[in-house]
Amino acid sequence: GNSVTQMEGPVTLSEEAFLTINCTYTATGYPSLFWYVQYPGEGLQLLLKATKADDKGSNKGFEATYRKETTSFHLEKGSVQVSDSAVYFCALSSSGSSNTGKLIFGQGTTLQVKP
Amino acid sequence: DSGVTQTPKHLITATGQRVTLRCSPRSGDLSVYWYQQSLDQGLQFLIQYYNGEERAKGNILERFSAQQFPDLHSELNLSSLELGDSALYFCASSVGAGGVADTQYFGPGTRLTVL
Repeated sequence: GNSVTQMEGPVTLSEEAFLTINCTYTATGYPSLFWYVQYPGEGLQLLLKATKADDKGSNKGFEATYRKETTSFHLEKGSVQVSDSAVYFCALSSSGSSNTGKLIFGQGTTLQVKP
Repeated sequence: DSGVTQTPKHLITATGQRVTLRCSPRSGDLSVYWYQQSLDQGLQFLIQYYNGEERAKGNILERFSAQQFPDLHSELNLSSLELGDSALYFCASSVGAGGVADTQYFGPGTRLTVL
């Protein structure tokens, strides 16, 4: 079945460091891929998405490119801030024949940014 | 603020009891999704309703049920509660039934504690 695997956390970085959070997926067909962020005590917010191969999603300095050949959707940011500390979830939505938008999530990666 | 509201924010109850969680989707959204977030299972899809009809079912226990009303709000009913049902329950909504352009927006969640 469809699944998403994220790198284990927590990831601890100093402010202004470069961030990469790895995400790989297994899916039939052509899924859409998402990154959601969860700040402490809050719900999930959509960070960015990509709906087809080679698409790049970007938002707030974060980027991720849909790589079908490596089944990956790694999240990157050039210079992290303390305010980026949160849990990041990679997710997929498989088009399939059932036409449902249900999301399948990775286990989440906690990012801690220290000043 | 995503525009999705959930009540109550916190719920504390005892084993064997029954509770109802409520979700109001964003204005104009026809789909409502329910997800469970627990430490051991991560974020898991439970069920989706689209315009009042059940659209997709995930790992939802038989003790759990849901419905979507004509005004499109949804309720998740959890009965014969067990300690393991303690979790954060999220509701999300989207415009359509699913598909490449259909983005889900999440509510702040209801934290259920079963004692």
